[in-house]
Amino acid sequence: NAGVTQTPKFRILKIGQSMTLQCTQDMNHNYMYWYRQDPGMGLKLIYYSVGAGITDKGEVPNGYNVSRSTTEDFPLRLELAAPSQTSVYFCASSYRGNTEAFFGQGTRLTVV
Amino acid sequence: AQTVTQSQPEMSVQEAETVTLSCTYDTSESDYYLFWYKQPPSRQMILVIRQEAYKQQNATENRFSVNFQKAAKSFSLKISDSQLGDAAMYFCAYRPKYALNFGKGTSLLVTP
Repeated sequence: NAGVTQTPKFRILKIGQSMTLQCTQDMNHNYMYWYRQDPGMGLKLIYYSVGAGITDKGEVPNGYNVSRSTTEDFPLRLELAAPSQTSVYFCASSYRGNTEAFFGQGTRLTVV
Repeated sequence: AQTVTQSQPEMSVQEAETVTLSCTYDTSESDYYLFWYKQPPSRQMILVIRQEAYKQQNATENRFSVNFQKAAKSFSLKISDSQLGDAAMYFCAYRPKYALNFGKGTSLLVTP
């Protein structure tokens, strides 16, 4: 009963490096999301997708890119990492727009 | 822009007592959904309770209940018979159509 799986759980990046945060769900959900959570703050939406081939920007998309080639996978790409991208990243999915969202365990990313 | 406000950064309650966490939101939508999520130190996001805006009846889930006041745009969470395991960050979230918009959270401390 995997649900939403994120990898890696922890990562340290140097300024200017790139990486991809992986997210996969096995619940056949149409909607998928990427959030970031900074200390003392709520979750802010980076990107979301309402189905394969469809993505849209959220509140804080700058410095990130996404793709949704399959229903199951929704990777988040960081290009040219910056210290401001140090955060905990959560991937989530839901069946429809009016149902609850299921979250992955999060990825703690530090950019130094 | 739609915003969610949680005005209590921290709350404290004794075991077996009742505590209420407040949440207000700003929206021009008439149809939407509201959620309370719990985030323990493990950082996993766990759904506590959900409320559909078109339903007048307040949602309940065991010891957790909400007071939903649509006209006032208020959505408070009441935890009855508090337990040590209830200690966590609690996030209020508003969902108009696609993605969840989160408040900054309330840290709940439960004392023996």
